Amino acid sequence: EAEVAQSPRYKITEKSQAVAFWCDPISGHATLYWYRQILGQGPELLVQFQDESVVDDSQLPKDRFSAERLKGVDSTLKIQPAELGDSAMYLCASSTGAGARTDTQYFGPGTRLTVL
Amino acid sequence: AQSVTQPDIHITVSEGASLELRCNYSYGATPYLFWYVQSPGQGLQLLLKYFSGDTLVQGIKGFEAEFKRSQSSFNLRKPSVHWSDAAEYFCAVGANTGTASKLTFGTGTRLQVTL
Repeated sequence: EAEVAQSPRYKITEKSQAVAFWCDPISGHATLYWYRQILGQGPELLVQFQDESVVDDSQLPKDRFSAERLKGVDSTLKIQPAELGDSAMYLCASSTGAGARTDTQYFGPGTRLTVL
Repeated sequence: AQSVTQPDIHITVSEGASLELRCNYSYGATPYLFWYVQSPGQGLQLLLKYFSGDTLVQGIKGFEAEFKRSQSSFNLRKPSVHWSDAAEYFCAVGANTGTASKLTFGTGTRLQVTL
């Protein structure tokens, strides 16, 4: 069964450092999502891609966060500089994007970020 | 804007007992509804989904959910809980963004199973 891959699984960094997370969606999935999940809460959407284009980044803190999906396949989420409040689970999901009425998001295992 | 409420933060049930997790949603149009499960330190696994049609949907691991439009609810049920069902459960509502569905999640219900 195809899965969404993410790396690293765990990342510990000091505040003011730069961190990057990688996601490889299920093959053929046109839509890719990055979520942030703070402990004890549900995931919140940071950015949504359709192929290589950003379709929603309204909740992305653009002063420190950036995301790219250059060839419309895998994606990188970067934080620079990291702050203590960025400690969270970062989840990547993908879907076919073939139509909202049947669209289902499949999630990767996540990257647990700890900022010291 | 859409929203999801999961009223129960934490539920404890005995193994073999029945389970019902509550979910209420707010959305102006026909909702797309999902239940996901998350084990500690893991990503989210899809349990079941509702797009249209039969209001009782079956999912994996013996779970089912019933969509009730009049109550704006999509409660998750299982007739007999197993110890391995202990996890966090998230209800989500999907909004139509054209080619994809934008999910809004509830805050989750943590299920503890006692032996």
